[in-house]
Amino acid sequence: EVQLVESGGGLVQPGGSLRLSCAASGFTFSSYEMNWVRQAPGKGLEWVSYISSSGSTIYYADSVKGRFTISRDNAKNSLYLQMNSLRAEDTAVYYCASIPTHWGQGTLVTVSS
Amino acid sequence: EIVLTQSPGTLSLSPGERATLSCRASQSVSSSYLAWYQQKPGQAPRLLIYGASSRATGIPDRFSGSGSGTDFTLTISRLEPEDFAVYYCQQYGSSPPGLTFGGGTKVEIK
Repeated sequence: EVQLVESGGGLVQPGGSLRLSCAASGFTFSSYEMNWVRQAPGKGLEWVSYISSSGSTIYYADSVKGRFTISRDNAKNSLYLQMNSLRAEDTAVYYCASIPTHWGQGTLVTVSS
Repeated sequence: EIVLTQSPGTLSLSPGERATLSCRASQSVSSSYLAWYQQKPGQAPRLLIYGASSRATGIPDRFSGSGSGTDFTLTISRLEPEDFAVYYCQQYGSSPPGLTFGGGTKVEIK
């Protein structure tokens, strides 16, 4: 069974940092492109970042460019999102996803003083 | 960047009725890379349709997708109580930031 399990969310002050992790199992993680997608409370889905299967190609949404860093460790079947200079508008549930098929359950990030 | 516009924003229907949801793209989208998701409160999105018309594993046949170019449709032939939820379309074929989502359609009980 395919599983994607996010962790690392929580409450952080504006300007702070968090590192999200996504543990993958049940499929050949190293063969799949991965993404982070977020959803602010009561809002729709917003793509955040993409990483190719090897990690050599990376893209970011303009809203997070320069502040967030996506990475992966294929030996550990894990995806990461380093989030710096966090703002109130980054408050959201963050999902890791192998689009379109597999999604994690999400981890909540709250940016507030 | 391709913009996806979903309509209507809210659809009020009764169980047993037919639901027709629209997703219109600002420019042509490859049918191979158009997906529909269902999302219930507190849950992650669930893939219903990929490639515009292929049902994902375990999805009932009352869900069907159609369309090409800039106009796509999700049809639920007879609404079951568990189908009341928010539905999103997404195109995922072009390089990011091509992974765009529509704004969603809420299907609510009338």
